[in-house]
Amino acid sequence: NAGVTQTPKFRILKIGQSMTLQCTQDMNHNYMYWYRQDPGMGLKLIYYSVGAGITDKGEVPNGYNVSRSTTEDFPLRLELAAPSQTSVYFCASLFGASYNEQFFGPGTRLTVL
Amino acid sequence: GDSVTQMEGPVTLSEEAFLTINCTYTATGYPSLFWYVQYPGEGLQLLLKATKADDKGSNKGFEATYRNETTSVHLEKGSVQVSDSAVYFCALGLRSGANSKLTFGKGITLSVRP
Repeated sequence: NAGVTQTPKFRILKIGQSMTLQCTQDMNHNYMYWYRQDPGMGLKLIYYSVGAGITDKGEVPNGYNVSRSTTEDFPLRLELAAPSQTSVYFCASLFGASYNEQFFGPGTRLTVL
Repeated sequence: GDSVTQMEGPVTLSEEAFLTINCTYTATGYPSLFWYVQYPGEGLQLLLKATKADDKGSNKGFEATYRNETTSVHLEKGSVQVSDSAVYFCALGLRSGANSKLTFGKGITLSVRP
């Protein structure tokens, strides 16, 4: 199993540009998550999904959109990039009950200039 | 709401020193508690977990005990190594329900010098 994979690893955007961060997991996990990690701030939940076709907002959803058309994929869309979205983005997945382990991808480092 | 508070960092130790990283939490209900580790340039990975009161999680020489009476789950290791240099996150999660989300602390950077 590859686990949770994310692409790209790095990206620089100009203000106002859009992009999609890709996330794929091959563990047949029903739950998937997007977090952002800012220096000294821990991880903040952006969006999550409990299964294909179901998504919900997390703590910091503004400026982002998600979709979950399949169990495997959970892309994160930035429509109008802003400098405040400069961060490291992590995708994670989990199977079943909440006291199981969340598996994280390697992250995407995004800079908006 | 649920929250996790970790001690301020960074922490620098010499190899073979004793490590304690404090973590306290506030939660409704009975959460599960986790320690995640992030090595440089990598994503987070689970270090250990404790899913109920008095539970002790352990892995790679690290231990943490779920203390319901003090709402804490401090991370300890008797003798740290240079390879333990990383960022450590405390997190709590709801035990059940459709909203299986983790709440993370801010993380603390540990540097171990030879």
